[in-house]
Amino acid sequence: NAGVMQNPRHLVRRRGQEARLRCSPMKGHSHVYWYRQLPEEGLKFMVYLQKENIIDESGMPKERFSAEFPKEGPSILRIQQVVRGDSAAYFCASSMYQETQYFGPGTRLLVL
Amino acid sequence: SQQGEEDPQALSIQEGENATMNCSYKTSINNLQWYRQNSGRGLVHLILIRSNEREKHSGRLRVTLDTSKKSSSLLITASRAADTASYFCATDPGSARQLTFGSGTQLTVLP
Repeated sequence: NAGVMQNPRHLVRRRGQEARLRCSPMKGHSHVYWYRQLPEEGLKFMVYLQKENIIDESGMPKERFSAEFPKEGPSILRIQQVVRGDSAAYFCASSMYQETQYFGPGTRLLVL
Repeated sequence: SQQGEEDPQALSIQEGENATMNCSYKTSINNLQWYRQNSGRGLVHLILIRSNEREKHSGRLRVTLDTSKKSSSLLITASRAADTASYFCATDPGSARQLTFGSGTQLTVLP
């Protein structure tokens, strides 16, 4: 059983471009969480999704950020018109029964 | 300070020694979890302790939870160089909501 998969592992974007981060949860997991980690800091919650539903997006910036978890395919975190402050590691986690969350390896976004 | 603050921020010990990290939090929790993160890597789940538990063991790890003091500790016994990593506590308020992470303890185990 493969773990949580994220791609790409590293992403470089210029200011104003769009960044798309993908997350495939563990098999059988229907809960997906996205977190952001700035250097030397802990993870900060962004959004919690179940299939086709956003359950909690209280940690998402109001503008430029969106997330989806379609019926088929991976969860996508989309950042439009990236700025340098968006540079961070973005982690996805999945869970089955809403307890232990299993984390992916992360996508490290660098905005030039 | 934010929910789930670890103490100390950094800890350096010799191989074979024990390492103790502490975590304090503010609000009520359903469970508390500890994670390890190697530099530049993802998080690895170490152990989960529920709010009605006081102590839990897993291999060389021992976790305690004191809900009256809103604090937890992680003890790593007989440390190894491979234990060098950042350790985070994360609180789970229940109801399938997000984990709230502290800023972590950077543990360095010297060979």
